[in-house]
Amino acid sequence: EAQVTQNPRYLITVTGKKLTVTCSQNMNHEYMSWYRQDPGLGLRQIYYSMNVEVTDKGDVPEGYKVSRKEKRNFPLILESPSPNQTSLYFCASSFLGTEEGTQYFGPGTRLLVL
Amino acid sequence: KQEVTQIPAALSVPEGENLVLNCSFTDSAIYNLQWFRQDPGKGLTSLLLIQSSQREQTSGRLNASLDKSSGRSTLYIAASQPGDSATYLCAVRLEGDSWGKLQFGAGTQVVVTP
Repeated sequence: EAQVTQNPRYLITVTGKKLTVTCSQNMNHEYMSWYRQDPGLGLRQIYYSMNVEVTDKGDVPEGYKVSRKEKRNFPLILESPSPNQTSLYFCASSFLGTEEGTQYFGPGTRLLVL
Repeated sequence: KQEVTQIPAALSVPEGENLVLNCSFTDSAIYNLQWFRQDPGKGLTSLLLIQSSQREQTSGRLNASLDKSSGRSTLYIAASQPGDSATYLCAVRLEGDSWGKLQFGAGTQVVVTP
């Protein structure tokens, strides 16, 4: 089954404790992206990647890091989480082509930073 | 800066009634527009994607129209069912923005009552 998986699905942590949220897709997509969703603000892009070893900042990259060492994986790293990073996080992926197609989203990771 | 607005924020209709969901955007220079459905715990599912050169797209009971000049898109869901209860999000990609970068509205939460 074609899918984007995220782990963990729920996470409670404390300020300053480094954490990683994993994202993996099995569709051989070149493009992957991370979003955060906050009430009343919609989804906002954090980072994206066009292919292995190619990453770039989205609209709200502060406090986050990413890496793309393999095509299928795109982990999101919070080196020193703060309470304002409490949010619902989504990973997405799609093919790169002549015409942009739909993006496939993971089920989300709900993060609470105390 | 592109702003994407969805009004109303919430909507409740009886089963069988047609649903009309609105999305407006401030910058008409869009590359495409997508409608997504969000179910709790299941992430986002793409419903329809309209390229900027198109006026509408249809899939089963769903029809989405796009009027770039007025900055509006409308999603019609015919003969609503309780299974249509979800949050519906629209997202636009601006011309010149990086591949896959989407600007999301905050969504319309729909409840279809039996």
